Order: sequence, then structure tokens, then C-alpha cells
Amino acid sequence: SQTIHQWPATLVQPVGSPLSLECTVEGTSNPNLYWYRQAAGRGLQLLFYSVGIGQISSEVPQNLSASRPQDRQFILSSKKLLLSDSGFYLCAAGRNQPQHFGDGTRLSIL
Amino acid sequence: DAKTTQPPSMDCAEGRAANLPCNHSTISGNEYVYWYRQIHSQGPQYIIHGLKNNETNEMASLIITEDRKSSTLILPHATLRDTAVYYCIVDATNTGNQFYFGTGTSLTVIP
Repeated sequence: SQTIHQWPATLVQPVGSPLSLECTVEGTSNPNLYWYRQAAGRGLQLLFYSVGIGQISSEVPQNLSASRPQDRQFILSSKKLLLSDSGFYLCAAGRNQPQHFGDGTRLSIL
Repeated sequence: DAKTTQPPSMDCAEGRAANLPCNHSTISGNEYVYWYRQIHSQGPQYIIHGLKNNETNEMASLIITEDRKSSTLILPHATLRDTAVYYCIVDATNTGNQFYFGTGTSLTVIP
């Protein structure tokens, strides 16, 4: 069965600082990969998805970007964080099976 | 945008069956119904999914109406650990591409 690793679990960053969140997947090959964000008390919002290395689709315009340098590695980045980037970031993987999620990174912007 | 409608909250007594409804009146013929749950501060956990037929696994049962416009997730004997937000999602392929999560149903299991 597949396992999704996300780190760090929590992160506190100042406004204007850069961001890099990493997600790696074990137990499957060539997965579809997804980044979601969840604001406090809200549902999940799909940010990016990828069907293969170097292939990224963005769902909403924003201050963030994503990259997939390896088959089972998905990275969420920002050059300058905004207060509105605070939230719970979740990575998910799935191909030919339901999506499975990591444990998330809780990002607080000060 | 979410293609499903769920009640915002429900309570259930411990040990009783929890029946969580979901309306998906615009579902297409090739769309599956998926259920996930999210315990506070954790990633969503997959529960079950189905296309037309009712499904059962070790966690829950999924009842889909004949017209497929609604479904019910049944937790047969709710425990306190089942307290969570439950999401109903419809998606066109069995790969689960591009899930759109709504706000779900917050289920509280009461001792």
C-alpha cells in the first residue's frame, strides 16, 4: 500500500520569506500527485495536480508554485509568503485507486 | 466547485448506526461516489467508494439510490473515534482526479 510523507508537520514563517514543502510517495509508481490547502474551518481546496514528471496543472491563481522533479516527489514553493498563505497543506497521491493523503503541514505566517 | 450537498452537522449516539446522507443530483453516468473523513488536524482518510451498486467494507457501507442522485454512508456501530468531518465527493474516473471537496458533515458521536 502507498504511503505519503510530508514534512515538516508544522512551520512558522514571516511574511515575505520563501517556502518549500516536500511530499514523497512510497509504494506506487507514476502516481497522480496533488496539493490541497485547507483554511481553518473550511473544506479542502485543490491547488495543483500532476500526472507526471515536470507536468503541473494549477487550479487557482495564487502566490504558490509546484514542481515534480522526480516521479514520487512533489514540491510546493513560494518566493515570498503572504499572510493569506496560512493554512493546512495536504499532499495526496492516486492513480487507478482512490486518492490517499499525507498527514499535512500546518503553515502559520507571522 | 463541489457537486455534492451534505448537512453541515449530525449527532449520533455511541453504538448506534450513523447514517450520513449526500445529494449528488447532477452526477454523470461515469462518476463514482467517494467518501472520506477527516479527524481534526489530520489528512483525510479514504472510507469507501462506489458507482452503482451498494458497497461494504470493514469501515462502512455505501448505499446508492437507483437513480444515483443520492447516497448514504452507514457506520454500523459508531464509536467516539468516528467523530470527524465526512466528505462525499463525485468524480469521473476511478483514478480520482481533481477531487473537489465541499465542507462535509461534521459528525459528533455522543457517549
